[in-house]
Amino acid sequence: QLQLQESGPGLVKPSETLSLTCSVSGVSVRGNNYYWGWIRQPPGKGLEWIGSVFYTGSTHYSPSLKSRVNISVDTSQSQFSLRLSSVSAADTAVYYCARFRTGSYSDFWGRGTLVTVSS
Amino acid sequence: QSALTQPASVSGSPGQSITISCTGTSTDVGKYNLVSWYQHYPGKGPKLVIYEISKRPSGISNRFSGSKSDNTASLTISGLQAEDEANYYCCSYAGSNTLVFGGGTKLTVL
Repeated sequence: QLQLQESGPGLVKPSETLSLTCSVSGVSVRGNNYYWGWIRQPPGKGLEWIGSVFYTGSTHYSPSLKSRVNISVDTSQSQFSLRLSSVSAADTAVYYCARFRTGSYSDFWGRGTLVTVSS
Repeated sequence: QSALTQPASVSGSPGQSITISCTGTSTDVGKYNLVSWYQHYPGKGPKLVIYEISKRPSGISNRFSGSKSDNTASLTISGLQAEDEANYYCCSYAGSNTLVFGGGTKLTVL
């Protein structure tokens, strides 16, 4: 059974880099029909797509975050990661990792992890 | 790339039908038949209920249906049940391998 589990620090200081990892179990990250991505939800707000990665390492990012985001995949560890640099309080959110089919919809999400940006 | 527009809240009584709208532009919702809908309970990961405008994933009740007209997609839930009370989000492909979500709609079952 597919499981996605986010992990990483729950508190990050302003101007530093937020780093999260999503561990995938129950399916190979090498699937040809899947992208692996990140979505976030600031407190009291809606969902925001951050970006996604294919198992080959090919990435796609939200235009509004592109300058600060890096998503990578480690097929040997069956996980993919998010790095968001120069964070501010506006980056405080619940971060979800998810599997995307054909890059247009997500058929499975992790439970999410809250990351707070504060000194 | 702006967020899609959804009503903040909708409500209905058990057994009734409700429709949630999702308005985008001619560069996202209007251009592609790639709108999906997610049901989200607080503290859990969102769950896909509709993809590619009107397709239901395996295991999703046929009470959930989707449609699109011009730049607006819609999610209809018929025969409302208490368990349908949740937040609902639409999402559209927006070209250049990017996605855009709606602001979310809180469904209250009265």
